[in-house]
Order: sequence, then C-alpha cells, then structure tokens
Amino acid sequence: EAQVTQNPRYLITVTGKKLTVTCSQNMNHEYMSWYRQDPGLGLRQIYYSMNVEVTDKGDVPEGYKVSRKEKRNFPLILESPSPNQTSLYFCASSQTSGGPYNEQFFGPGTRLTVL
Amino acid sequence: EDKVVQSPLSLVVHEGDTVTLNCSYEVTNFRSLLWYKQEKKAPTFLFMLTSSGIEKKSGRLSSILDKKELFSILNITATQTGDSAIYLCAVGGFSGTYKYIFGTGTRLKVLA
Repeated sequence: EAQVTQNPRYLITVTGKKLTVTCSQNMNHEYMSWYRQDPGLGLRQIYYSMNVEVTDKGDVPEGYKVSRKEKRNFPLILESPSPNQTSLYFCASSQTSGGPYNEQFFGPGTRLTVL
Repeated sequence: EDKVVQSPLSLVVHEGDTVTLNCSYEVTNFRSLLWYKQEKKAPTFLFMLTSSGIEKKSGRLSSILDKKELFSILNITATQTGDSAIYLCAVGGFSGTYKYIFGTGTRLKVLA
C-alpha cells in the first residue's frame, strides 16, 4: 500500500530534550516536506527536500533540523524543544515531474506536546 | 508577502444545500493551486488547478481557478454529512525557493 508513515504518532516531552520524528514513504517520491498545523494558523511549511541531500527552509524553520540521506526517509529533528513547538506535525511527499507543486500525500500526523 | 486567504472561516449548512468555498492568493510565480479535505486526520487531495487546467470536477465537487483575479472556488452540491471537514487551499510558487503555502482552511459542518 502506497503510504507515508510517521513515528511516533503521539509524544509528550520536556523542554530541551532532543527528539526525532521519523517520516518514511514507499512511493519513490523525490519531494518530501514537513508541516506544522496550529489552530487558526493552518499548515505551515517547516522544511522541504527536493531529493537526497537537497533540503531547504520553509516558512517556519527555526528550532528544527532535517536530513535526507535516503530517498524514502526525511526525519525531523528538534535539538532543544520548547513549548512553542507544541503542535501537530505532518510529513508529506510528492512527485516532482513538472515541479514540486503536485498532489502531496500526507502522513497520519504526530501530535507533539512540549512541557 | 506571499499569502493564501480562505473564506468563510466556517460554515454550517443542511444536507442538500450547495456551498461555495473561496480561496484568494498572492504568490510569486504561481505554479498551481490545490484543494484538500481534512477530516480528523491527514489532508487528502481533491483537485489541482494550473494554468493548463483551470476547471476540475469530480462528482458533486467542482473547482475553478481565475488566474487573472487570483482566486479559486470549490463548489459542493447536494451536500452530505460526510462532507463535514476542513477544506484547505494550497498554492505553489517560486521565489528563489519553492513555496507551498496553505490557507487556514474553511470548516464545513453539514447537518442532517
């Protein structure tokens, strides 16, 4: 089944404790992206990757890191989480034929709470 | 500044009604506009509209893109309770980096 998976689905942590949210897709998509979704603010792009070893900042990259060492995986790293990073996080992927503006396939989401 | 604005923010209708959701945008080097439906989980794709495809239809849902006036509408006819969801509009553009900007969404509730 074609899908994007994220782990963990739910996470409660404390300020400053490094964490990683994993994202994996099995559709051989070149483009992958991370978003956070907050009430009243919609989905905001954190980072995206056009292909292996190619990443770039979205609109809200502060406090986050990413890496793309393999095509299928795109982990999101919070080196020192703070309460304002409490949010619902989505990973997404898409093909890039014609540009990265195609339909994006979303993972199930990770609800993160930072105390 | 690039932005995508959706209206109304929320909408309550009765089954059988027709609804029109709006999405206006200002995005550098527009490439595409996409509509997604989000129920209690991840967004799912509905339509993609580009310069070469400004009108799409699937069953009771249809969408048009007006590139001159910089907006799109999503129409849902004969609404059903299963249409209750948040409808998201996203616009892709390029201004040195690839942009994919979402609006805040329209929350639709359809009453039986």
